[in-house]
Amino acid sequence: EPEVTQTPSHQVTQMGQEVILRCVPISNHLYFYWYRQILGQKVEFLVSFYNNEISEKSEIFDDQFSVERPDGSNFTLKIRSTKLEDSAMYFCASTATSGAVEQYFGPGTRLTVT
Amino acid sequence: GNSVTQMEGPVTLSEEAFLTINCTYTATGYPSLFWYVQYPGEGLQLLLKATKADDKGSNKGFEATYRKETTSFHLEKGSVQVSDSAVYFCALSGRGSTLGRLYFGRGTQLTVWP
Repeated sequence: EPEVTQTPSHQVTQMGQEVILRCVPISNHLYFYWYRQILGQKVEFLVSFYNNEISEKSEIFDDQFSVERPDGSNFTLKIRSTKLEDSAMYFCASTATSGAVEQYFGPGTRLTVT
Repeated sequence: GNSVTQMEGPVTLSEEAFLTINCTYTATGYPSLFWYVQYPGEGLQLLLKATKADDKGSNKGFEATYRKETTSFHLEKGSVQVSDSAVYFCALSGRGSTLGRLYFGRGTQLTVWP
């Protein structure tokens, strides 16, 4: 069964460093999402992406964040200068169509900023 | 705005016990409602969904009914198994400009003992 994959599973970085989290969505999917979950808190939407551009972003997704689909398979989330409060689990998701349908999630990348 | 409030965990049950995890929501318009489950080390998986009022979603013995009058979507299972141990997330997908974006609750950790 097709699945969303994410790498790395765990990333440790120092404050101020840039990180890139990688996702490979399901191959025929067109809509891509990033969510994050700070330990003990809700899963929060960051951004949605379609047709090579951002469809929607939350207030969390500030200038420190960017997303890219550099080729036909990868979907990346970059944090330019990490802060301690960026420590969280980051989930990538994809879906074939827009709307209130199932999103397929990856296993997540745990980002620890020290 | 859209939000989901989910029963705080953790929930610990013996095998074959009855499970209820409460979920209420606020939303503009008519959202779709979802329960996602996360097993250890894995991504979020859709457990069940309901797209309109009075719909009942069901899967693997779990059920939830979309109650517009009480703005609720409580998850139930008549007889839990050890293999049901996981984190359960209630979520909604709004309409209009936030099409596709998921709003999650905090998640409820369920542990089932043999």
